[in-house]
Amino acid sequence: GQQVMQIPQYQHVQEGEDFTTYCNSSTTLSNIQWYKQRPGGHPVFLIQLVKSGEVKKQKRLTFQFGEAKKNSSLHITATQTTDVGTYFCADPPQNTDKLIFGTGTRLQVFP
Amino acid sequence: DGGITQSPKYLFRKEGQNVTLSCEQNLNHDAMYWYRQDPGQGLRLIYYSQIVNDFQKGDIAEGYSVSREKKESFPLTVTSAQKNPTAFYLCASSPRGYGYTFGSGTRLTVV
Repeated sequence: GQQVMQIPQYQHVQEGEDFTTYCNSSTTLSNIQWYKQRPGGHPVFLIQLVKSGEVKKQKRLTFQFGEAKKNSSLHITATQTTDVGTYFCADPPQNTDKLIFGTGTRLQVFP
Repeated sequence: DGGITQSPKYLFRKEGQNVTLSCEQNLNHDAMYWYRQDPGQGLRLIYYSQIVNDFQKGDIAEGYSVSREKKESFPLTVTSAQKNPTAFYLCASSPRGYGYTFGSGTRLTVV
């Protein structure tokens, strides 16, 4: 079935360093959503990207959607310990509302 | 406050038993979903419903059943046919074409 791949699977950074996770698909995506799941918690919706080449920012987080709509990235500037968690991208197959979640990137931030 | 309520938070099941997980939302969302998450893994779709009295199988529906008699409620039954039910179960809802709101989840353990 359709699946989006995320890299890296894990990332350990020192507090203050930047972090980026990438989401890649072999097929064109209608849109891409990003979620954050804290350890022991549930996923929380962060953002949705729809347009080719779209860039959106939320404070230290920058989200990009590729020109070909086959990849996306989430970049965190100057990580903090509160950024710890797993970041998932997710996409809906054409003409459906269901989401297929990526494999996730687990971020650990050391103080 | 609007949101999704899942109960119970923890559930223990004996082998051969059916158990039902509750999911209630007061967000007036049309669509509701059930996902399963195994430790350190991503989210896999079990069932989803886009309108009352209608639902579709996801990627791992075997051994599970659902109903959608009311817009607010989407209970999931884990049947004895599910051979490996120990997991974290997440319910979500969404307005059409936008991000999901997740409940806090139910951790099911077979004893």
